[in-house]
Amino acid sequence: GQQVMQIPQYQHVQEGEDFTTYCNSSTTLSNIQWYKQRPGGHPVFLIQLVKSGEVKKQKRLTFQFGEAKKNSSLHITATQTTDVGTYFCADSGGSNYKLTFGKGTLLTVNP
Amino acid sequence: GAGVSQSPRYKVAKRGQDVALRCDPISGHVSLFWYQQALGQGPEFLTYFQNEAQLDKSGLPSDRFFAERPEGSVSTLKIQRTQQEDSAVYLCASSLAGGGANVLTFGAGSRLTVL
Repeated sequence: GQQVMQIPQYQHVQEGEDFTTYCNSSTTLSNIQWYKQRPGGHPVFLIQLVKSGEVKKQKRLTFQFGEAKKNSSLHITATQTTDVGTYFCADSGGSNYKLTFGKGTLLTVNP
Repeated sequence: GAGVSQSPRYKVAKRGQDVALRCDPISGHVSLFWYQQALGQGPEFLTYFQNEAQLDKSGLPSDRFFAERPEGSVSTLKIQRTQQEDSAVYLCASSLAGGGANVLTFGAGSRLTVL
């Protein structure tokens, strides 16, 4: 079945540093969604990317979808302690409803 | 309700016991999903309902797992004869859309521990 790989698995940064997590697939991705899960919490939807080469921004967060639709990235500028959590990418594949999640990147921020 | 509500939040079961997990989705949401999340992993798809119809149950790990949504709103995930490998967080999610790429609103989850 479809696999969505995320790197790195863990990232520890000092507050104020930037952070990037990458989502890759050997097959063409359909619609990439990004979710954030705080420690002890549940996944919360952040953004959806649909078009090749798409770039979307939410304040300090920048999301990109690769030109070949085989990768996506989430970049956080000047991290804050409130950014702590696990960031997941997920792809709907050809089903349009079944999301395949990556294993996530756990971000910790040292104040 | 304002969000997706799940109960119980925590369940400890002895191996071999049956458990039932409840999900109350956002009112009016057509689609309902169950996902299983093991520790340190991403959520994994279990099953999908559109209204009362279970359209996909391909992710259910075994025939010990059963899900229903008889009236197209509240859903129950039942696990019979629980095993230790069933220990996980069971996440319910709902979305407004009946098709297309669904944006999911997740509940807080039910954490199942099987001893």
